[in-house]
Amino acid sequence: LAKTTQPISMDSYEGQEVNITCSHNNIATNDYITWYQQFPSQGPRFIIQGYKTKVTNEVASLFIPADRKSSTLSLPRVSLSDTAVYYCLVGGTTGANNLFFGTGTRLTVIP
Amino acid sequence: NAGVMQNPRHLVRRRGQEARLRCSPMKGHSHVYWYRQLPEEGLKFMVYLQKENIIDESGMPKERFSAEFPKEGPSILRIQQVVRGDSAAYFCASSPYGDSSYEQYFGPGTRLTVT
Repeated sequence: LAKTTQPISMDSYEGQEVNITCSHNNIATNDYITWYQQFPSQGPRFIIQGYKTKVTNEVASLFIPADRKSSTLSLPRVSLSDTAVYYCLVGGTTGANNLFFGTGTRLTVIP
Repeated sequence: NAGVMQNPRHLVRRRGQEARLRCSPMKGHSHVYWYRQLPEEGLKFMVYLQKENIIDESGMPKERFSAEFPKEGPSILRIQQVVRGDSAAYFCASSPYGDSSYEQYFGPGTRLTVT
């Protein structure tokens, strides 16, 4: 499974846009890029998934450049409730059944 | 449609005792995954099961740990003769498909404390 690298922590003020970038230099052709969010004492929750270019849903946007060696999760106008750990994962290659979670990015939203 | 359910939410065991963690997947999901999370770390894959089959247990310690997903009832992760290093949060996830490109739905976790 491709390894990912992302910042350990980030701080942001309420109302700002937050961009979290993840590096995945060894991503395979069949791999998808998926982001999960985890609040303290809870299980991770799926946020968004993409393969290339840009994906947007009601929660976030995911930007993936043409070479797919990195991706950026964009959270518009964060609120205090967005304080959580955000994990970037790559996977989906046939035969790879599990998800590989790195240490994630701990986002703290400041009032 | 109820989400993934895990019980107990908190479990305290003395060293040497057995711990049994239960996971009921979402309705219609036949793929179950178990992960372990140590404090301040990411989740680590342990085992992937389908009904009555262990598909991938590459992340499971070779001794004292076992998992099952019977035809009827919840999936169970069993830890025999627990040690302090087993203290962690154990998460179960389920999916309608067995490919990691599909979303996995996580339960609230069981926090195991070994005293």
